[in-house]
Amino acid sequence: RKEVEQDPGPFNVPEGATVAFNCTYSNSASQSFFWYRQDCRKEPKLLMSVYSSGNEDGRFTAQLNRASQYISLLIRDSKLSDSATYLCVVNDSWGKLQFGAGTQVVVTP
Amino acid sequence: GAGVSQSPSNKVTEKGKDVELRCDPISGHTALYWYRQSLGQGLEFLIYFQGNSAPDKSGLPSDRFSAERTGGSVSTLTIQRTQQEDSAVYLCASSLLYQNHEQYFGPGTRLTVT
Repeated sequence: RKEVEQDPGPFNVPEGATVAFNCTYSNSASQSFFWYRQDCRKEPKLLMSVYSSGNEDGRFTAQLNRASQYISLLIRDSKLSDSATYLCVVNDSWGKLQFGAGTQVVVTP
Repeated sequence: GAGVSQSPSNKVTEKGKDVELRCDPISGHTALYWYRQSLGQGLEFLIYFQGNSAPDKSGLPSDRFSAERTGGSVSTLTIQRTQQEDSAVYLCASSLLYQNHEQYFGPGTRLTVT
């Protein structure tokens, strides 16, 4: 079983709509969680950290569910520029960050 | 401030040749990572450095791959006797500390082996 699993998508989202997707992780002791975005043929960029209480950054909301071992990302009022692959990142037992394979989001006009 | 930089941005080489890829991490970051990404695929971890030492080389695909880091800063990834399957984007990232800290990526080196 992979340490971090994501639905590859694509999630096709009309502009202005809300989209949400999850990422599951296998290590119950994980402490650090992040969302990165990766545009086509570009490097991954940190989008936001995910805190236990959940956190929001503008149109983006991240949640952590420790009991079910998943994190989620919600994007409100989607923009065309939100089209990207979103990578879920979780630390393993040795503190090493494990990257998921990504969820593709396509925002359409 | 300055981010992670990598050079060259693109490299085309003939099968069998050796290549060197360079990474300059963010100043003050003690941990440095190398990944590679084939087209449409996820990140494949290669190696990481804590200071100048490489505690985890588990991701290096073969003994043709090696990496070093000097002065706790610049790192070089060397691929000897390149093969066509080595073609990929090689990404370098750095973080302030090793455990649990967010990583910042460079723009990558796109390697094409012909």
